Amino acid sequence: QKEVEQNSGPLSVPEGAIASLNCTYSDRGSQSFFWYRQYSGKSPELIMFIYSNGDKEDGRFTAQLNKASQYVSLLIRDSQPSDSATYLCAVRNQGGKLIFGQGTELSVKP
Amino acid sequence: NAGVTQTPKFQVLKTGQSMTLQCAQDMNHNSMYWYRQDPGMGLRLIYYSASEGTTDKGEVPNGYNVSRLNKREFSLRLESAAPSQTSVYFCASRAGTASSHLNIQYFGAGTRLSVL
Repeated sequence: QKEVEQNSGPLSVPEGAIASLNCTYSDRGSQSFFWYRQYSGKSPELIMFIYSNGDKEDGRFTAQLNKASQYVSLLIRDSQPSDSATYLCAVRNQGGKLIFGQGTELSVKP
Repeated sequence: NAGVTQTPKFQVLKTGQSMTLQCAQDMNHNSMYWYRQDPGMGLRLIYYSASEGTTDKGEVPNGYNVSRLNKREFSLRLESAAPSQTSVYFCASRAGTASSHLNIQYFGAGTRLSVL
């Protein structure tokens, strides 16, 4: 079992829809969780982080964390073509290392 | 306002050649990291340095060596390049130590390496 798993996609949504990206992790002691966005040929950039159970909202982005289910998600409301990218889930495990999922490719169609 | 700077941006090597990838950060961060990214594999940790003078293996260290030259610089060396090392390499840094869980990790622009 991979330490951090994501659906690789591609996930395709129409412009204006809600995109839902999911991630599960195996280390129950993990304490912090990050979502990075990576455009093709570019480096990852942080868009959200969360460390408490529940929801955290920042503009059109909402991160959701459920530690009991070892599940973290990212919702993108009112999706725009500019949101088309690969989204990487990253989990800081008990040892302090940041472990990445394989990424989910999102395509927002105009 | 440079952040994390990697050189070179692109490199083509022949099998068996050696090279060093350079990384420098100007944010006074304690921890630095080297990742490789392959299609469908996400980012995999090669080596990291929790503080100046220390280095540790990550998930895929074989075939690589690192040097934390000072607080700013963390280099990655391929002693004898192999085609399996064709990848995109990212350096990253963050403020905290390995045990501090909230600090954000910042990435360089990447080095695209091809080994023929």
